[in-house]
Amino acid sequence: DTGVSQDPRHKITKRGQNVTFRCDPISEHNRLYWYRQTLGQGPEFLTYFQNEAQLEKSRLLSDRFSAERPKGSFSTLEIQRTEQGDSAMYLCASSLIGGWGTNEKLFFGSGTQLSVL
Amino acid sequence: GQQVMQIPQYQHVQEGEDFTTYCNSSTTLSNIQWYKQRPGGHPVFLIQLVKSGEVKKQKRLTFQFGEAKKNSSLHITATQTTDVGTYFCAGPVKDSNYQLIWGAGTKLIIKP
Repeated sequence: DTGVSQDPRHKITKRGQNVTFRCDPISEHNRLYWYRQTLGQGPEFLTYFQNEAQLEKSRLLSDRFSAERPKGSFSTLEIQRTEQGDSAMYLCASSLIGGWGTNEKLFFGSGTQLSVL
Repeated sequence: GQQVMQIPQYQHVQEGEDFTTYCNSSTTLSNIQWYKQRPGGHPVFLIQLVKSGEVKKQKRLTFQFGEAKKNSSLHITATQTTDVGTYFCAGPVKDSNYQLIWGAGTKLIIKP
């Protein structure tokens, strides 16, 4: 299966610790997104990469969050000094560039469920 | 700010009954996408609508995009247990080429 893979599937951490998640997109996809989803809500956009360039970041995203995609392939999302409010499912998605006037369809990974105690 | 509202939040149906979810945007959308998320799973793309008044069908699923491109609906005919999950609509954020804004989803529950 060459879908989007995320690691780890679950992460439990204590408040104040740093955590890092990894995402491996579909190999031919040049666009990579990070989303966050809490129970009963739709995914919330965090950040977007085209190849290795981080082109967009949510204005709501705390400075404690940082993401990288160093060689335009896999990506990491780091949360520093975690807070209980960071508990959520962190979803990675990848896509190919779509046609004019459309947003290309997103292929999501299974996510990393973060619990901050 | 820009909002996408989905109703209802939940819908309980008997297997074989129909299901409909409605999506309303505070702004005109260039396109709208629908995703399905099974319990414990991740969102899976269903369809994208681009044209005003567009209607697309996928077997028992019918998707509509409003004339004003501010609302959309998904109708499932004769629900089956495999339809269980949460259905989300998502549209482009204004002035962004990459962000999607998502509704909160409608959870389809089949009554035992």
